[in-house]
Amino acid sequence: DQQVKQNSPSLSVQEGRISILNCDYTNSMFDYFLWYKKYPAEGPTFLISISSIKDKNEDGRFTVFLNKSAKHLSLHIVPSQPGDSAVYFCAASLNYGGSQGNLIFGKGTKLSVKP
Amino acid sequence: DGGITQSPKYLFRKEGQNVTLSCEQNLNHDAMYWYRQDPGQGLRLIYYSQIVNDFQKGDIAEGYSVSREKKESFPLTVTSAQKNPTAFYLCASSIRGWGSPLHFGNGTRLTVT
Repeated sequence: DQQVKQNSPSLSVQEGRISILNCDYTNSMFDYFLWYKKYPAEGPTFLISISSIKDKNEDGRFTVFLNKSAKHLSLHIVPSQPGDSAVYFCAASLNYGGSQGNLIFGKGTKLSVKP
Repeated sequence: DGGITQSPKYLFRKEGQNVTLSCEQNLNHDAMYWYRQDPGQGLRLIYYSQIVNDFQKGDIAEGYSVSREKKESFPLTVTSAQKNPTAFYLCASSIRGWGSPLHFGNGTRLTVT
């Protein structure tokens, strides 16, 4: 059973508008979340992360929101640019007595930003 | 320029042959990882190594083997026991293991016929 779910395989957005990518998780013990961006034929690139002690983390145009009660996180990209077109992976990990466990990845959402 | 180098980018093998995928990093990272990506799937962990001369199985280790004799190198062997070896393989490293972001190489696409 998938522990990290990205229910939208694809998303299309107009340049300049906001892109919102969603991720749901089932294990309430997850306490560290990351977003990665992947272009075709390349490895994923780390984008932004958030710890469960926070509900928001911002880095330039990228903001990640965490709603622990809903077991939901989202990545907002404002404003969206054509170069943001890529597959975005959500990932989560557990803390085992002070040590993080391995990352569990979602299946990804393909974002297309139209000029 | 620091980074992770995976070679070759494309690899073709006949069924029944073992094949070794190379992964080298010059980031001075302690931990290294191997993931597999299949179409429409997330990344699944094959093996990881938090330190030289030590490695652990991931979620899908069957049919694979690794070694970590040097800090900068973490080769993955896909053996003939792996039932569905055709996939995109990604190597990654991180400064200190889980809890620090992974840095990925550009992957090797392995096709076995």
